[in-house]
Amino acid sequence: DAKTTQPPSMDCAEGRAANLPCNHSTISGNEYVYWYRQIHSQGPQYIIHGLKNNETNEMASLIITEDRKSSTLILPHATLRDTAVYYCTNSGGSTLGRLYFGRGTQLTVWP
Amino acid sequence: NAGVTQTPKFRILKIGQSMTLQCTQDMNHNYMYWYRQDPGMGLKLIYYSVGAGITDKGEVPNGYNVSRSTTEDFPLRLELAAPSQTSVYFCASTLAGPGELFFGEGSRLTVL
Repeated sequence: DAKTTQPPSMDCAEGRAANLPCNHSTISGNEYVYWYRQIHSQGPQYIIHGLKNNETNEMASLIITEDRKSSTLILPHATLRDTAVYYCTNSGGSTLGRLYFGRGTQLTVWP
Repeated sequence: NAGVTQTPKFRILKIGQSMTLQCTQDMNHNYMYWYRQDPGMGLKLIYYSVGAGITDKGEVPNGYNVSRSTTEDFPLRLELAAPSQTSVYFCASTLAGPGELFFGEGSRLTVL
């Protein structure tokens, strides 16, 4: 199984940046890191993924350390609608698209 | 596009009953997956398929069966339902792995 470690909960003031850390020290060299979020009990929603370089899209930025043992998801201007459980995942070495989800981080954005 | 559609959204089963959770996608994705999520926990992979006629077990396959006769459909069969199968079930798909998974809205199953 892919092993990732995330803090169980974090909070952030609305309008501020939310920085969500993830430890994936056992990741192999060709594995991507993926981030998803789940709002209430809805289906998880893809946010971003990366391999080595930092990535940015319209939702978030992903910073991966040079040794690839950890990463940080950055929501630059958190809103109340960003309150969700955020999952850092990887494929455990598989090329079959399987992703392993831990318990994630409950992010609460407060007004 | 409807994306990934799951039915039913809610179902209550008695112990020992059987049922099928339906999943269909209209994105012509090759890869499809079934996950379950217990309260307060992450998602656990049950079964997955990389194309029509090809299926394989995930982390927690016991008590379930799947089939993949078409690209669009990936039903999950529960035989002899048990209380331990009370969970929310999510179907997902992607064009080719690894990549962005598209999830359905989930099917909430209660076994009493």
